[in-house]
Amino acid sequence: KNQVEQSPQSLIILEGKNCTLQCNYTVSPFSNLRWYKQDTGRGPVSLTIMTFSENTKSNGRYTATLDADTKQSSLHITASQLSDSASYICVVSAYGATNKLIFGTGTLLAVQP
Amino acid sequence: DGGITQSPKYLFRKEGQNVTLSCEQNLNHDAMYWYRQDPGQGLRLIYYSQIVNDFQKGDIAEGYSVSREKKESFPLTVTSAQKNPTAFYLCASNNLGGGETQYFGPGTRLLVL
Repeated sequence: KNQVEQSPQSLIILEGKNCTLQCNYTVSPFSNLRWYKQDTGRGPVSLTIMTFSENTKSNGRYTATLDADTKQSSLHITASQLSDSASYICVVSAYGATNKLIFGTGTLLAVQP
Repeated sequence: DGGITQSPKYLFRKEGQNVTLSCEQNLNHDAMYWYRQDPGQGLRLIYYSQIVNDFQKGDIAEGYSVSREKKESFPLTVTSAQKNPTAFYLCASNNLGGGETQYFGPGTRLLVL
């Protein structure tokens, strides 16, 4: 069964600190992995997308890594800001399944001053 | 929110009533999608459409209906057959082809009176 699991479910950090969010997946055959940021009550916004051959992708203070062998990805946030408070969703696409995405349940991040 | 608009932002439904959620995009995207988001769960696909006048059921289509009369519009009707409609509904769109990122609208929160 295609699944995407994220950890932790929620996380509280102080402003300026770094943090790392985890994503494990069992989607096969793997096509690509995306990280989305979703502010409360808003639609998700894409942060990064990685294919099988990519190990790292950065977008400003956000850096995503992918280990296709262990089927794990992480999202590292550097020097957190209050505006980083949101839910971060890992989404995996199965190759050949037309536009079929498997969504994780998200990690809710709260950045406190 | 990338050129995708959803209305209304909040919607209240009475017992036995059908309600329609609007989704419009000006990105000239071929494909459009409807997702449902519940607390503690990943987004679940309700319906999707890859071309005008054609659409496919997603994982949880029961109690919902859609139409795609125009490329830019993909309205979702929540019928009285949907017994647990309270949720956050997200519309998304993208171009067809491998790896195309889905862009999400701001969402509609549906509540049952």
